[in-house]
Amino acid sequence: NAGVTQTPKFQVLKTGQSMTLQCAQDMNHNSMYWYRQDPGMGLRLIYYSASEGTTDKGEVPNGYNVSRLNKREFSLRLESAAPSQTSVYFCASKPTGGWNTEAFFGQGTRLTVV
Amino acid sequence: KQEVTQIPAALSVPEGENLVLNCSFTDSAIYNLQWFRQDPGKGLTSLLLIQSSQREQTSGRLNASLDKSSGRSTLYIAASQPGDSATYLCAASSSNTGKLIFGQGTTLQVKP
Repeated sequence: NAGVTQTPKFQVLKTGQSMTLQCAQDMNHNSMYWYRQDPGMGLRLIYYSASEGTTDKGEVPNGYNVSRLNKREFSLRLESAAPSQTSVYFCASKPTGGWNTEAFFGQGTRLTVV
Repeated sequence: KQEVTQIPAALSVPEGENLVLNCSFTDSAIYNLQWFRQDPGKGLTSLLLIQSSQREQTSGRLNASLDKSSGRSTLYIAASQPGDSATYLCAASSSNTGKLIFGQGTTLQVKP
């Protein structure tokens, strides 16, 4: 049981380049989330998808787009990378949106924008 | 707007000591609160989930409590070991969308 899988694990981009971070879960969860983690800032929500076919903005969505490709996959795209997007990105999933359900996280993607 | 705070930011204790990590939240209308462990350079591992209707939850040497009225949760670690050294994060879910609001974490060092 792989849980939540993120690819790639590491990436270095030049300013202005684009890339897509991939996330897949094999737990048949409805809800999926993208967070970024920065020193001193904790984890902040970028986008989330409460169910297949829906996406919503989180706390820090600017500069990002997402796609809920199917129930398993939720991708995060940086159209024109900026140094301020240097961070560790985590994908998470939950069985349902709200009540009393445990969130599971991937191992993270460490992104550096130079 | 929900805000979650963890104090202290860092803690160092000798092996064998019992310790308490604190988590406070501003909106008492939470759905649940989850405690995570994060090792350096790694992802988040779920430790305990406390449902909104529960007062505490236990797993091995870990015990988490929840007091919604005071906006507080604590994580109690009994007989600490060097292997417990990590960053501990608490996160509150205040919405039916399941969004988690995180504290900034407490970095624990247990010295042999």
